[in-house]
Amino acid sequence: DVVMTQSPLSLPVTLGQPASISCRSSQSLVDSDGNTCFHWFQQRPGQSPRRLIYRVSNRDSGVPDRFSGSGSGTDFTLKISRVEAEDVGIYYCMQCTHWPPITFGQGTRLDIK
Amino acid sequence: VQLVESGGGLVQPGGSLRLSCAVSGFTFSNYVMTWVRQAPGKGLEWVTTIWHDGSIKYYVDSVKDRFFISRDNFKNTLFLQMNTLRAEDTAIYYCVTGHWLDYWGQGTLVTVSS
Repeated sequence: DVVMTQSPLSLPVTLGQPASISCRSSQSLVDSDGNTCFHWFQQRPGQSPRRLIYRVSNRDSGVPDRFSGSGSGTDFTLKISRVEAEDVGIYYCMQCTHWPPITFGQGTRLDIK
Repeated sequence: VQLVESGGGLVQPGGSLRLSCAVSGFTFSNYVMTWVRQAPGKGLEWVTTIWHDGSIKYYVDSVKDRFFISRDNFKNTLFLQMNTLRAEDTAIYYCVTGHWLDYWGQGTLVTVSS
């Protein structure tokens, strides 16, 4: 199974400042067709998760452009250019290139300093 | 898109439960569907996925031969039959579209305890 490792696990950020979350996979997430099935999810307190970024760098509908995703192979990053109060929550990375099983990172808890 | 789970509750170890997920707002019969769970205070865990026509099903190892996913494309409903439940199955169970996990329901809580 592909292991997804996120860092940091806790991320206190000042409002208006940038934030960055890293996710590393135990093997390359590029498939034989050159595609990468890797997504980012946000889970606000008391809510269901929602997908933010699909296929590494594509924002889902309604996701503010302060969120961006990048990376390739085994190393991926989610960046928030200027953190707002509504960004508080837990962020998960996920791979579906080598499935089953689909695997998630442990989650990164973002809160406001 | 709307996904509404039901059927959760308190069950004793070794017991069974059947979860349902009623969907609307999209053509259910065209979509792969997935169940993801989240134990209290823990992260996300993929549980099972079913092909749009029910022909292919995948399960995480920890639930194989105990949990069974199915669907009724005429009633736009996804199911999860959970047998021989264990304490470690205690979690919120989410119904999710696709295996890219596009849209999530609100979840239903399953508690396995004596």
